[in-house]
Amino acid sequence: QVQLQESGPGLVKPSETLSLTCGVSGYSIGSGYYWAWIRQPPGKGLEWIGSVFHGTTQYNPSLKGRVTLSMDTSTNQFSLKLTTVSAADTAVYYCARHASGWPGSNDYWGQGALVTVSS
Amino acid sequence: DIQMTQSPSSLSASVGDRVTITCRASQSIGTYLHWYQQKAGKVPKLLIYSASTLQSGVPSRFSGRGSGTDFTLTISSLQPEDFATYHCHQSYNIPYTFGQGTKLEIK
Repeated sequence: QVQLQESGPGLVKPSETLSLTCGVSGYSIGSGYYWAWIRQPPGKGLEWIGSVFHGTTQYNPSLKGRVTLSMDTSTNQFSLKLTTVSAADTAVYYCARHASGWPGSNDYWGQGALVTVSS
Repeated sequence: DIQMTQSPSSLSASVGDRVTITCRASQSIGTYLHWYQQKAGKVPKLLIYSASTLQSGVPSRFSGRGSGTDFTLTISSLQPEDFATYHCHQSYNIPYTFGQGTKLEIK
């Protein structure tokens, strides 16, 4: 059974960097699939942040170059860094397994990590 | 960006009802369309991928249809555990985008 779990600070100050890690069990992240980050502001819809597989990354242009994704196959984890955060970045952040290309769906998700941006 | 528009935004129905939720894409996306169910405070769960393929373990009362720009998710006979928010999602073009969600409530 594939399982994902987000970890990282739940509170980040404005203008600082949000950093989250997703630990994966039950599947080797280097074996295939892309690994995605998706967020959901309180009471709102889902927004795709980006996906990563080895050295290949895909980002949502709306985040204007503030995002960096990486993965570490030795620890079976992948990570998100979002710089210069503001209150608009307050959201539940989910990591997910993404079948890039066909079919393109996200079949396994982490439990989500609420990150609040506030001073 | 491809805009995904769901209708209705909210829907009240009773146990046993047949309900249909619509998702429209702002341009053709083939069948790169997926549906998720999200219960309050919980994680989105993949129900249907590629417009019409049921994810493993999902009850057969759920079905999906469509291609191009117009898609539907149908629940043939609502069960108490189906009251949730449903999201459509396109993976045809980056940035991948989601609909705004349809909240299905008990009448």
